[in-house]
Amino acid sequence: DAGVIQSPRHEVTEMGQEVTLRCKPISGHNSLFWYRQTMMRGLELLIYFNNNVPIDDSGMPEDRFSAKMPNASFSTLKIQPSEPRDSAVYFCASSVNRGAGLFFGSGTQLSVL
Amino acid sequence: QQQVKQSPQSLIVQKGGISIINCAYENTAFDYFPWYQQFPGKGPALLIAIRPDVSEKKEGRFTISFNKSAKQFSLHIMDSQPGDSATYFCAASRGANNLFFGTGTRLTVIP
Repeated sequence: DAGVIQSPRHEVTEMGQEVTLRCKPISGHNSLFWYRQTMMRGLELLIYFNNNVPIDDSGMPEDRFSAKMPNASFSTLKIQPSEPRDSAVYFCASSVNRGAGLFFGSGTQLSVL
Repeated sequence: QQQVKQSPQSLIVQKGGISIINCAYENTAFDYFPWYQQFPGKGPALLIAIRPDVSEKKEGRFTISFNKSAKQFSLHIMDSQPGDSATYFCAASRGANNLFFGTGTRLTVIP
Protein backbone atom coordinates (compact mmCIF):
# COMPACT_ATOMS: atom_id res chain seq x y z
CA ASP A 1 0.00 0.00 0.00
CA ALA A 2 1.35 3.43 -0.94
CA GLY A 3 0.04 5.10 2.18
CA VAL A 4 -1.54 8.54 2.30
CA ILE A 5 -0.29 10.59 -0.62
CA GLN A 6 -0.10 14.38 -0.43
CA SER A 7 0.84 16.91 -3.06
CA PRO A 8 2.69 19.10 -3.48
CA ARG A 9 5.45 18.37 -0.95
CA HIS A 10 6.48 22.01 -0.92
CA GLU A 11 4.58 25.12 -1.94
CA VAL A 12 5.91 28.65 -1.96
CA THR A 13 3.47 31.39 -2.84
CA GLU A 14 2.89 35.07 -2.37
CA MET A 15 0.39 36.61 -0.04
CA GLY A 16 -3.04 36.86 -1.61
CA GLN A 17 -2.63 33.90 -3.91
CA GLU A 18 -4.85 30.83 -3.85
CA VAL A 19 -3.29 27.63 -2.57
CA THR A 20 -4.69 24.13 -3.08
CA LEU A 21 -3.35 21.14 -1.21
CA ARG A 22 -4.25 17.63 -2.30
CA CYS A 23 -4.62 14.31 -0.55
CA LYS A 24 -5.26 10.73 -1.57
CA PRO A 25 -6.17 8.60 1.45
CA ILE A 26 -5.38 4.93 1.86
CA SER A 27 -7.78 2.81 -0.16
CA GLY A 28 -10.58 1.48 2.00
CA HIS A 29 -10.21 4.12 4.69
CA ASN A 30 -13.44 5.98 5.31
CA SER A 31 -12.25 8.82 7.54
CA LEU A 32 -9.99 11.64 6.40
CA PHE A 33 -8.41 14.34 8.50
CA TRP A 34 -6.56 17.58 7.72
CA TYR A 35 -4.05 18.78 10.34
CA ARG A 36 -1.76 21.80 10.49
CA GLN A 37 1.58 21.72 12.31
CA THR A 38 3.48 24.76 13.51
CA MET A 39 6.15 25.27 16.14
CA MET A 40 3.90 27.58 18.12
CA ARG A 41 0.65 25.60 18.08
CA GLY A 42 1.78 22.03 17.42
CA LEU A 43 -0.62 19.72 15.59
CA GLU A 44 -4.08 21.15 15.12
CA LEU A 45 -7.05 19.37 13.58
CA LEU A 46 -8.62 21.55 10.91
CA ILE A 47 -11.42 19.33 9.61
CA TYR A 48 -12.34 15.70 9.28
CA PHE A 49 -14.59 13.76 6.93
CA ASN A 50 -16.36 10.46 7.39
CA ASN A 51 -17.60 8.71 4.26
CA ASN A 52 -16.83 11.88 2.29
CA VAL A 53 -19.05 14.03 4.52
CA PRO A 54 -17.52 16.83 6.63
CA ILE A 55 -18.17 15.97 10.26
CA ASP A 56 -16.32 18.63 12.20
CA ASP A 57 -14.80 21.76 10.69
CA SER A 58 -14.55 23.72 13.91
CA GLY A 59 -10.79 23.80 13.59
CA MET A 60 -10.80 25.64 10.28
CA PRO A 61 -9.24 28.98 11.19
CA GLU A 62 -11.44 31.23 9.10
CA ASP A 63 -13.46 31.53 5.95
CA ARG A 64 -10.33 31.70 3.85
CA PHE A 65 -9.96 27.96 4.41
CA SER A 66 -12.17 25.41 2.72
CA ALA A 67 -11.97 21.65 2.26
CA LYS A 68 -13.73 19.23 -0.02
CA MET A 69 -13.89 15.50 -0.47
CA PRO A 70 -15.66 14.81 -3.77
CA ASN A 71 -15.03 11.07 -3.54
CA ALA A 72 -13.48 8.44 -1.31
CA SER A 73 -10.04 8.73 -2.91
CA PHE A 74 -9.46 12.47 -3.04
CA SER A 75 -9.62 15.56 -0.85
CA THR A 76 -8.47 19.15 -1.19
CA LEU A 77 -7.70 21.91 1.26
CA LYS A 78 -7.87 25.36 -0.24
CA ILE A 79 -6.68 28.68 1.16
CA GLN A 80 -7.90 31.80 -0.60
CA PRO A 81 -6.42 34.34 -0.17
CA SER A 82 -3.31 33.05 1.53
CA GLU A 83 -1.49 35.02 4.24
CA PRO A 84 2.01 34.70 5.72
CA ARG A 85 0.56 33.35 8.99
CA ASP A 86 -0.75 30.35 7.05
CA SER A 87 2.83 29.14 6.63
CA ALA A 88 2.98 25.68 8.20
CA VAL A 89 3.14 22.00 7.38
CA TYR A 90 -0.26 20.64 6.43
CA PHE A 91 -0.89 16.95 6.97
CA CYS A 92 -3.61 14.73 5.68
CA ALA A 93 -4.41 11.52 7.56
CA SER A 94 -6.84 8.69 7.03
CA SER A 95 -8.34 5.98 9.16
CA VAL A 96 -10.20 2.79 8.42
CA ASN A 97 -12.81 3.78 10.97
CA ARG A 98 -13.13 6.11 13.85
CA GLY A 99 -11.38 4.53 16.76
CA ALA A 100 -8.52 3.07 14.76
CA GLY A 101 -5.14 4.67 14.31
CA LEU A 102 -4.58 7.58 11.98
CA PHE A 103 -2.16 7.16 9.11
CA PHE A 104 -0.49 10.42 8.11
CA GLY A 105 0.90 11.54 4.78
CA SER A 106 4.31 13.20 4.48
CA GLY A 107 2.77 16.65 4.57
CA THR A 108 2.89 19.79 2.46
CA GLN A 109 5.32 22.48 3.59
CA LEU A 110 3.57 25.76 2.78
CA SER A 111 5.42 29.05 2.77
CA VAL A 112 3.46 32.24 2.12
CA LEU A 113 5.72 35.21 1.44
CA GLN B 1 -6.48 25.41 26.24
CA GLN B 2 -4.13 22.50 25.87
CA GLN B 3 -6.18 19.32 26.16
CA VAL B 4 -3.11 17.15 26.57
CA LYS B 5 0.01 18.31 28.39
CA GLN B 6 3.28 16.64 27.50
CA SER B 7 6.70 16.71 29.12
CA PRO B 8 9.58 17.04 28.78
CA GLN B 9 9.96 19.20 25.72
CA SER B 10 13.29 17.57 24.91
CA LEU B 11 15.15 14.55 26.19
CA ILE B 12 18.68 13.27 25.76
CA VAL B 13 19.37 9.63 26.61
CA GLN B 14 22.41 7.43 26.29
CA LYS B 15 22.19 4.42 24.02
CA GLY B 16 20.80 1.50 26.00
CA GLY B 17 19.06 3.73 28.50
CA ILE B 18 15.36 4.17 29.20
CA SER B 19 13.47 7.11 27.68
CA ILE B 20 10.37 8.23 29.55
CA ILE B 21 7.85 10.75 28.24
CA ASN B 22 4.84 11.81 30.25
CA CYS B 23 1.41 13.12 29.36
CA ALA B 24 -1.59 14.32 31.33
CA TYR B 25 -5.16 15.01 30.30
CA GLU B 26 -8.24 16.55 31.86
CA ASN B 27 -11.20 15.26 29.87
CA THR B 28 -12.41 12.05 31.51
CA ALA B 29 -14.41 11.26 28.36
CA PHE B 30 -11.20 10.46 26.49
CA ASP B 31 -10.98 6.75 25.79
CA TYR B 32 -8.15 6.39 23.30
CA PHE B 33 -4.52 7.29 23.98
CA PRO B 34 -2.04 6.82 21.14
CA TRP B 35 1.60 7.73 20.81
CA TYR B 36 3.04 8.91 17.52
CA GLN B 37 6.64 9.06 16.32
CA GLN B 38 7.72 11.69 13.83
CA PHE B 39 11.00 11.87 11.92
CA PRO B 40 12.09 15.11 10.20
CA GLY B 41 10.27 15.66 6.93
CA LYS B 42 7.78 12.90 7.63
CA GLY B 43 4.29 12.71 9.00
CA PRO B 44 3.60 11.32 12.46
CA ALA B 45 3.40 7.52 12.54
CA LEU B 46 1.33 5.55 15.03
CA LEU B 47 3.64 3.80 17.45
CA ILE B 48 1.40 2.28 20.10
CA ALA B 49 -1.99 3.01 21.63
CA ILE B 50 -3.90 2.13 24.77
CA ARG B 51 -7.48 2.26 26.01
CA PRO B 52 -8.34 3.00 29.65
CA ASP B 53 -9.45 -0.53 30.48
CA VAL B 54 -5.81 -1.63 30.82
CA SER B 55 -2.96 -0.12 32.82
CA GLU B 56 -0.10 -1.15 30.58
CA LYS B 57 0.56 -2.16 27.01
CA LYS B 58 3.87 -3.36 25.66
CA GLU B 59 5.03 -3.72 22.08
CA GLY B 60 8.67 -4.66 21.74
CA ARG B 61 10.80 -2.01 23.43
CA PHE B 62 7.86 0.42 23.73
CA THR B 63 5.51 0.40 26.73
CA ILE B 64 2.58 2.64 27.59
CA SER B 65 1.73 2.97 31.26
CA PHE B 66 -1.73 4.35 32.01
CA ASN B 67 -3.00 5.74 35.31
CA LYS B 68 -6.70 6.44 34.97
CA SER B 69 -7.18 7.93 38.45
CA ALA B 70 -4.33 10.38 37.94
CA LYS B 71 -5.32 11.02 34.31
CA GLN B 72 -1.77 10.42 33.21
CA PHE B 73 -0.04 8.14 30.74
CA SER B 74 3.55 7.69 29.75
CA LEU B 75 5.72 6.14 27.09
CA HIS B 76 8.75 4.12 28.08
CA ILE B 77 11.37 3.21 25.48
CA MET B 78 13.60 0.48 26.78
CA ASP B 79 17.15 -0.03 25.47
CA SER B 80 16.94 3.26 23.57
CA GLN B 81 18.77 3.30 20.23
CA PRO B 82 20.06 6.17 18.07
CA GLY B 83 17.41 5.20 15.52
CA ASP B 84 14.76 6.11 18.10
CA SER B 85 15.82 9.76 17.87
CA ALA B 86 12.67 11.53 16.76
CA THR B 87 9.85 13.68 18.05
CA TYR B 88 7.20 11.82 20.02
CA PHE B 89 3.63 13.00 20.44
CA CYS B 90 1.04 11.72 22.84
CA ALA B 91 -2.59 12.20 21.96
CA ALA B 92 -6.02 11.58 23.37
CA SER B 93 -9.53 11.44 22.03
CA ARG B 94 -13.02 10.19 22.59
CA GLY B 95 -13.50 7.44 20.06
CA ALA B 96 -10.53 8.73 18.03
CA ASN B 97 -12.84 11.19 16.30
CA ASN B 98 -10.68 14.17 17.07
CA LEU B 99 -7.19 13.53 18.33
CA PHE B 100 -5.82 16.18 20.65
CA PHE B 101 -2.05 16.10 20.46
CA GLY B 102 0.53 17.00 23.06
CA THR B 103 3.20 19.53 22.15
CA GLY B 104 5.81 16.88 21.41
CA THR B 105 9.08 15.65 22.91
CA ARG B 106 12.26 15.73 20.89
CA LEU B 107 14.25 12.64 21.84
CA THR B 108 17.95 12.37 21.10
CA VAL B 109 19.70 9.08 21.80
CA ILE B 110 23.44 9.49 22.04
CA PRO B 111 25.56 6.57 20.78
